[in-house]
Amino acid sequence: QVHLVQSGAEVREPGASVRVSCKGSGFTFIDFYIHWVRHAPGQGLEWMGRINPSSGGTKTAQKFQGRVTVTRDTSTSTAYVEVSSLKSDDTAVYYCVRAKEIWLLESQGSFDYWGQGTLVTVS
Amino acid sequence: QSVLTQPPSVSGAPGQKVTISCGGSRFNIGADYDVHWYQVRPGTAPKLLIYGFHNRPAGVPDRFSGSKSGTSASLAITGLKAEDEADYYCQAYDSRLSANWVFGGGTKLTVL
Repeated sequence: QVHLVQSGAEVREPGASVRVSCKGSGFTFIDFYIHWVRHAPGQGLEWMGRINPSSGGTKTAQKFQGRVTVTRDTSTSTAYVEVSSLKSDDTAVYYCVRAKEIWLLESQGSFDYWGQGTLVTVS
Repeated sequence: QSVLTQPPSVSGAPGQKVTISCGGSRFNIGADYDVHWYQVRPGTAPKLLIYGFHNRPAGVPDRFSGSKSGTSASLAITGLKAEDEADYYCQAYDSRLSANWVFGGGTKLTVL
């Protein structure tokens, strides 16, 4: 059974950084793209970036370029998102998501399995 | 402002049918990228409801169906139940550089 287990809630001051982790189990971690999506209070879902766990290659939404870094540790099947220079409107629940296999056309893939979410509060 | 356009809210009585639209452009839905739908209940992670315009993952009732026409997609829910009350989001790939994967703004479904 596929599981994505994320790290616990975080509180940061403006200008600080935060790193959220996401440990995968029940599947071969390096075979599936991992994305990060956030959901701010009263707002819609927002795609942030993704990583190919096999190669380490990443894509980041232009809005977040220079401020968001997505990495992974294949030895522990864990993906990470780090957000720097935090602002109050970065307050949101951050989700890691498993998408399709890395050898499939990723532009057509859906977000199949979601982590439980990590609340990041910037205050 | 979201790249994909959804109505902010829809409502229906139990047993009725509702439809949620998702408007796109030639850079996403009109470029034949698949559209997917997610259900979000308060305090819970989003759940994949429909993938590839009209396919349902295991466990999703056939009361939920999806379709596409031109640069738009739609989610239909028949036989409304109280448990269907949630937010619904469409999602697709966008060929422009600013954000590769995009969501609609979300639609709040109220079961009257």
